[in-house]
Amino acid sequence: AQSVTQPDIHITVSEGASLELRCNYSYGATPYLFWYVQSPGQGLQLLLKYFSGDTLVQGIKGFEAEFKRSQSSFNLRKPSVHWSDAAEYFCAVGAIYDKVIFGPGTSLSVIP
Amino acid sequence: DTAVSQTPKYLVTQMGNDKSIKCEQNLGHDTMYWYKQDSKKFLKIMFSYNNKELIINETVPNRFSPKSPDKAHLNLHINSLELGDSAVYFCASSRPGTADYEQYFGPGTRLTVT
Repeated sequence: AQSVTQPDIHITVSEGASLELRCNYSYGATPYLFWYVQSPGQGLQLLLKYFSGDTLVQGIKGFEAEFKRSQSSFNLRKPSVHWSDAAEYFCAVGAIYDKVIFGPGTSLSVIP
Repeated sequence: DTAVSQTPKYLVTQMGNDKSIKCEQNLGHDTMYWYKQDSKKFLKIMFSYNNKELIINETVPNRFSPKSPDKAHLNLHINSLELGDSAVYFCASSRPGTADYEQYFGPGTRLTVT
């Protein structure tokens, strides 16, 4: 069955600290992978995506993610978190012409 | 220059009423979606249309009826509203089969049923 898990429901980090949000997926075909961010009261905004090629992808706002096929993971990282990064983060997986499945989300709090 | 817009942003209504949410995208995408986000932030696809044709219809009560008058618009009509319909509804659009496959989301419509 197709699924996306985000093991951490909520993470709290101090401003300036590094961040890693975990994402694991189960998918039959070669997946397209996405990370979205949702600020309070807002819609979802794409941070980055992976289709093929280099397994380390760079996104907006200083985020990056690494695709590891052997671990079925697509973890999101940022070297130094800013207070404005506090939001809900969603990992998603899909295939071309197929629906996109979203993970349950990880809520990030940032301590000033 | 909003890419995906939804109206209204907030909708408060009573049980049993019928309501509609409208969505428009100006990105030239062929595919549009409706998602429901519950109180725990879980995001679940409801419908998907490609060029006005329904292609995804997840297990959604038939009180929910999407309508796509053209490929830039996808509206959601809900009959006989129930308390459990309270949620945030997101419209999205994309262009599957291209490098622009990611979904662009609207700002959401917060529906509260009392």
